Amino acid sequence: DQQVKQNSPSLSVQEGRISILNCDYTNSMFDYFLWYKKYPAEGPTFLISISSIKDKNEDGRFTVFLNKSAKHLSLHIVPSQPGDSAVYFCAASGGTDKLIFGTGTRLQVFP
Amino acid sequence: GAGVSQSPSNKVTEKGKDVELRCDPISGHTALYWYRQSLGQGLEFLIYFQGNSAPDKSGLPSDRFSAERTGGSVSTLTIQRTQQEDSAVYLCASSLVGLAIGELFFGEGSRLTVL
Repeated sequence: DQQVKQNSPSLSVQEGRISILNCDYTNSMFDYFLWYKKYPAEGPTFLISISSIKDKNEDGRFTVFLNKSAKHLSLHIVPSQPGDSAVYFCAASGGTDKLIFGTGTRLQVFP
Repeated sequence: GAGVSQSPSNKVTEKGKDVELRCDPISGHTALYWYRQSLGQGLEFLIYFQGNSAPDKSGLPSDRFSAERTGGSVSTLTIQRTQQEDSAVYLCASSLVGLAIGELFFGEGSRLTVL
């Protein structure tokens, strides 16, 4: 039972354009959402988060949008840079400190 | 070191053997998590320690898996009688108090290969 789903295993975007990574969840009790970024042979690193009381959170080139009615969130990266090439994991929690992760989306930004 | 430290970084073992994976969290972090990532899969929650509370073991896949955290710091994940499906990268993470305050800081992982 996959409570957090990232249906696109990979995404390829040209440098300078927008990258949009999507995430869907099924558990309506989730109230806190995070995005992590992972380079090969390294542990995931925190990127950006959003609480369910908001529908948007922005940090530099990264913006996360939350649509609670659709149980959907997305991460926008603009402009995309080659250094953004990594695997991006969506994660969620609800009332506990346990994070449930999605399966990840591999982003490749090409020149 | 300043980050989460895991050892060994790589472990190759034969089916049926026991293995121990170690995690040194960031000093002062009260919460400690174990996740694993199998080939082509996401991050699967295994177990969570928070202070002196009873650990949340709900993610452990079988009774061959166990973990302990001594003195509220170092944690050891033990897999008994390893099977080939146990092959994965085992990731440890720590956080300061909980998600409301901070985010998880991950180690680089221990890659386990069961032959």
